[in-house]
Amino acid sequence: GQNIDQPTEMTATEGAIVQINCTYQTSGFNGLFWYQQHAGEAPTFLSYNVLDGLEEKGRFSSFLSRSKGYSYLLLKELQMKDSASYLCAVKDSNYQLIWGAGTKLIIKP
Amino acid sequence: GAVVSQHPSWVICKSGTSVKIECRSLDFQATTMFWYRQFPKQSLMLMATSNEGSKATYEQGVEKDKFLINHASLTLSTLTVTSAHPEDSSFYICSARVDREVGNQPQHFGDGTRLSIL
Repeated sequence: GQNIDQPTEMTATEGAIVQINCTYQTSGFNGLFWYQQHAGEAPTFLSYNVLDGLEEKGRFSSFLSRSKGYSYLLLKELQMKDSASYLCAVKDSNYQLIWGAGTKLIIKP
Repeated sequence: GAVVSQHPSWVICKSGTSVKIECRSLDFQATTMFWYRQFPKQSLMLMATSNEGSKATYEQGVEKDKFLINHASLTLSTLTVTSAHPEDSSFYICSARVDREVGNQPQHFGDGTRLSIL
């Protein structure tokens, strides 16, 4: 079966750095996405990785290791507005998105 | 960037009512649209995939006669919840993509519809 694992909840302090991990087992791989979802709102696209390595976009970076079936989302200089759920999703061999359950990130002052 | 409009954003209605939700791609043609449901504090659950001009493909456990999907054009898909009951109360979100997403094209999400059945 297809499976994506990420921690259910994480807590971090404003101004700090946090790393949210995602491991996956899917039938084929055509890229990995990270989305941010605030409570009661639809997900918004953050990043996309298809090759191994780090993609940096401002305060957010995403890393991929295809051989390990592993990715992480790194958030720097955390702000209160970063409190949200972060969803990891993998595009399988049929180009279907397989979603993780999401990681709820709580930012404390 | 690509914009997906979903309407209405909030619906409250009586049990037994049918509710139609519209999903439009505003500045691109979406060959495929997806309908998701999300219960509180849970992740997105794909209900069905609809391709323009053909029947929707429903995920296991989703009743196709209850959740009617129509994708009549490249910019519009509709989800009709027929004879809705309180257990159908949820957050329904549509998303759209242009094609099989060659490259880094993500799915583009609508703002969601919060459905409350009394």
